[in-house]
Amino acid sequence: GDSVTQMEGPVTLSEEAFLTINCTYTATGYPSLFWYVQYPGEGLQLLLKATKADDKGSNKGFEATYRKETTSFHLEKGSVQVSDSAVYFCALEGGGSYIPTFGRGTSLIVHP
Amino acid sequence: KAGVTQTPRYLIKTRGQQVTLSCSPISGHRSVSWYQQTPGQGLQFLFEYFSETQRNKGNFPGRFSGRQFSNSRSEMNVSTLELGDSALYLCASSLGGSDEKLFFGSGTQLSVL
Repeated sequence: GDSVTQMEGPVTLSEEAFLTINCTYTATGYPSLFWYVQYPGEGLQLLLKATKADDKGSNKGFEATYRKETTSFHLEKGSVQVSDSAVYFCALEGGGSYIPTFGRGTSLIVHP
Repeated sequence: KAGVTQTPRYLIKTRGQQVTLSCSPISGHRSVSWYQQTPGQGLQFLFEYFSETQRNKGNFPGRFSGRQFSNSRSEMNVSTLELGDSALYLCASSLGGSDEKLFFGSGTQLSVL
């Protein structure tokens, strides 16, 4: 079945550092890929998405490129802020299931 | 536009009891899905309802059930609670098509003692 693997956290960075959170997936066909973010005490929010190979999703300074050849969708940000501290979830949806498969989440802690 | 509303926010129950959680989706959304979130297992899909019908189901025992009403509001029920059912239960709504953005509520934190 479909699956998503994310790097384990927590990832701890200083403010203005470069962020990469790795995500790889296994799926049949050509799924859509998503990054969701969960701030403390809240539900998940869609951060960005990409629906086909080589698409780049971007939002709030975050970017991720759909790499079919490496089955990856790594999340990057050039300069993180304390307010980016949250848990980040990579997800895929494919095969007409209407339900995304989520990774286990990666906690990001940004220090001033 | 109001977001997804889940009630109650916190719940404490004892083993063997049953519990009902409620989710009001964004107006116009016909799909409601439920997830269990725990530190050990991450986010696990429970089930999804679309226009009052269960359209997808995860791998949870029959103690976990749900339903959706004609106004798209959904309830989730857990019977014969076990300690391992302690978790944050999240619901999400969407228009119901493929690749649709999910809108999540803040969740119900269930503690089973």
